[in-house]
Amino acid sequence: QTVVTQEPSFSVSPGGTVTLTCGLSSGSVSSSYNPSWYQQTPGQAPRTLIYSTNSRSSGVPDRFSGSIVGKRAALTITGAQADDECDYYCVLYMGNGTWVFGGGTKLTVL
Amino acid sequence: QVQLQESGPGLVKPSETLSLTCTVSGDSISGSYWSWIRQPAGKELEWIGRIYNNEHTNYNPSLKSRVTMSLDTSKNQFSLNLNSVTAADTAIYYCARGSTTSPTHPWFGPWGQGTRVTVFS
Repeated sequence: QTVVTQEPSFSVSPGGTVTLTCGLSSGSVSSSYNPSWYQQTPGQAPRTLIYSTNSRSSGVPDRFSGSIVGKRAALTITGAQADDECDYYCVLYMGNGTWVFGGGTKLTVL
Repeated sequence: QVQLQESGPGLVKPSETLSLTCTVSGDSISGSYWSWIRQPAGKELEWIGRIYNNEHTNYNPSLKSRVTMSLDTSKNQFSLNLNSVTAADTAIYYCARGSTTSPTHPWFGPWGQGTRVTVFS
C-alpha cells in the first residue's frame, strides 16, 4: 500500500508563515488525489480545513490555504497564532474508493 | 446542522467482534457516503472504510478481510463490525460524513466526537 508522507514536526514563529506538505512514497500528488487537510487539537475530533486541494471549509479563516507545490500537496498557514499549535493531517484518494491519511505533522508555534 | 454520535462497547476481548454504531441527526443518511476512521493513542488517523446507501462499500485493503459496514435508514444509523480483534485494534473510533471525489462532499466531516475502544482480556 502506498504511504502518504508528512513532515513529523514543524515549528513556526508567531505571525510567521509555514507550509506543511503531503506526498507519496512513490509518485507525485496531483489534484486528482483530492487532497484534503484536517486540524486536530488534543482530545478532539479532527476539523476540516481544506478540501479538493484548495477549497476552504466553512468557517476556516483565509490564513489557511491549500495548493500543489511540486510533487506534493501543501497547506500554508500565514500569520501563525498560538492556537494553530496542534496536529495537521492530510488524506489522499487512492482510487477504487479508498483513502489514505498521512502520518500527521505536529506544528509548534514558538 | 448535521451531527454524528458513536456508540458501542468500550471493551472488547481478543478474537471477538468490535461493533459500533453511528447515529446521524440533522440529515438523512441516504444519498451520502459515511466513513469510519480510527486513531490509536498518540498515532495517526487510519481510514477504515465507507458505505453508501447500503449498496456500495469500500474498505481499507489492510482491514478488508475483517470489516463489514451496514446502514439502517429507518434509524438513520450506520454501523461497523470488525472481527477477530487484537490489541492492535485498540483506538479511538470516529464516524464521519464522506468522502467522495464528486463535488457533492469531497471531504471527511462533520465528525463524531469519537469513542474509545480497548481490546483487553
